[in-house]
Amino acid sequence: GENVEQHPSTLSVQEGDSAVIKCTYSDSASNYFPWYKQELGKRPQLIIDIRSNVGEKKDQRIAVTLNKTAKHFSLHITETQPEDSAVYFCAANSGTYKYIFGTGTRLKVLA
Amino acid sequence: NAGVTQTPKFQVLKTGQSMTLQCAQDMNHNSMYWYRQDPGMGLRLIYYSASEGTTDKGEVPNGYNVSRLNKREFSLRLESAAPSQTSVYFCASMGGDRGHQPQHFGDGTRLSIL
Repeated sequence: GENVEQHPSTLSVQEGDSAVIKCTYSDSASNYFPWYKQELGKRPQLIIDIRSNVGEKKDQRIAVTLNKTAKHFSLHITETQPEDSAVYFCAANSGTYKYIFGTGTRLKVLA
Repeated sequence: NAGVTQTPKFQVLKTGQSMTLQCAQDMNHNSMYWYRQDPGMGLRLIYYSASEGTTDKGEVPNGYNVSRLNKREFSLRLESAAPSQTSVYFCASMGGDRGHQPQHFGDGTRLSIL
């Protein structure tokens, strides 16, 4: 079946440094890639998404890049802050309605 | 505007008991989803409903049934609960009818089966 691989599973960075999380998808028809942030005990919430017709999208300190040829996409967080500590999930659509999620990255920002 | 509402928030069951998890959304979304979240395994799709009147299996449907009661409500039923179904269950909804839209999640139901 279709699959989304996410790395690393845990990531620790110093406050102010950058963090990068990478995902690879298998369905060549995937064309929508959202990223979710989940704080402890909370619901996943969308932080940024990208569609296959663009290669990069930025929103303040967060950016996502997409390489369709290699079938991978990445989340970049610059100037990390303690409140960025959470679990981050990537996802890719599979068909019109289904989404396949990565296994998550636990980001710890050390003050 | 509450978004996606799930009930109950917590539940403890004994093996073999049955239970229905409720989900309702007030965003007039067409599509609704049920996921389970287990440590280290991300969100796995159990069932989804692309539109009112339709339901389809996801990655891990065994042991579950769903009902799309109307456009707002999508319930998940465990007929005979097993310890392997201990998990956090999230309902989500998505607007539009062509995909490519973000999903909105409820707060989750934490289910323990003894």
